[in-house]
Amino acid sequence: GIQVEQSPPDLILQEGANSTLRCNFSDSVNNLQWFHQNPWGQLINLFYIPSGTKQNGRLSATTVATERYSLLYISSSQTTDSGVYFCAVGYDQAGTALIFGKGTTLSVSS
Amino acid sequence: EAQVTQNPRYLITVTGKKLTVTCSQNMNHEYMSWYRQDPGLGLRQIYYSMNVEVTDKGDVPEGYKVSRKEKRNFPLILESPSPNQTSLYFCASRTLGTTNEKLFFGSGTQLSVL
Repeated sequence: GIQVEQSPPDLILQEGANSTLRCNFSDSVNNLQWFHQNPWGQLINLFYIPSGTKQNGRLSATTVATERYSLLYISSSQTTDSGVYFCAVGYDQAGTALIFGKGTTLSVSS
Repeated sequence: EAQVTQNPRYLITVTGKKLTVTCSQNMNHEYMSWYRQDPGLGLRQIYYSMNVEVTDKGDVPEGYKVSRKEKRNFPLILESPSPNQTSLYFCASRTLGTTNEKLFFGSGTQLSVL
């Protein structure tokens, strides 16, 4: 089955720093989403981005489907950005079988 | 407010005692799904449903049952829980057939089976 690899596994930043999280996938996908799991366990959808680039405030994401990777950029990080960031991909027509990566754990300190 | 509601938030039970975790969404989504999250393994899909009375197995369905009698509800049933089912469970939903297929998650249910 499709493999999803996220890097780095852990990231420690000072408030105000920028970061780039990467998601590599082993096959063609028609669905790619980024999620943030906050320290209380809640999962929030950040982007639906099977291709192209999107921006939402300090966060942006780019997926290069032909090269099978996606990047999540966090600029001017804040302590509230801490948590785990997951990439998930879907490959079937309806996008029902989302496969999650193991996540990148981000810790932002003030 | 658009949301996916799971109950209970925390549950401690003993081996073999049947339990049900409820999930309800108010967004009229066709698709609903259950995931479990374990340390080092990320999220894995248990079951999903494309519509009422339509359910299918995900990656780790053993030991679980689901039903979809109404569009808004998708309960997860553990007929005979075992300690290896101790995990954090999430219900999720989304619409089908659009180009913006974001997946919305409930707040999670932390289950401990003793």
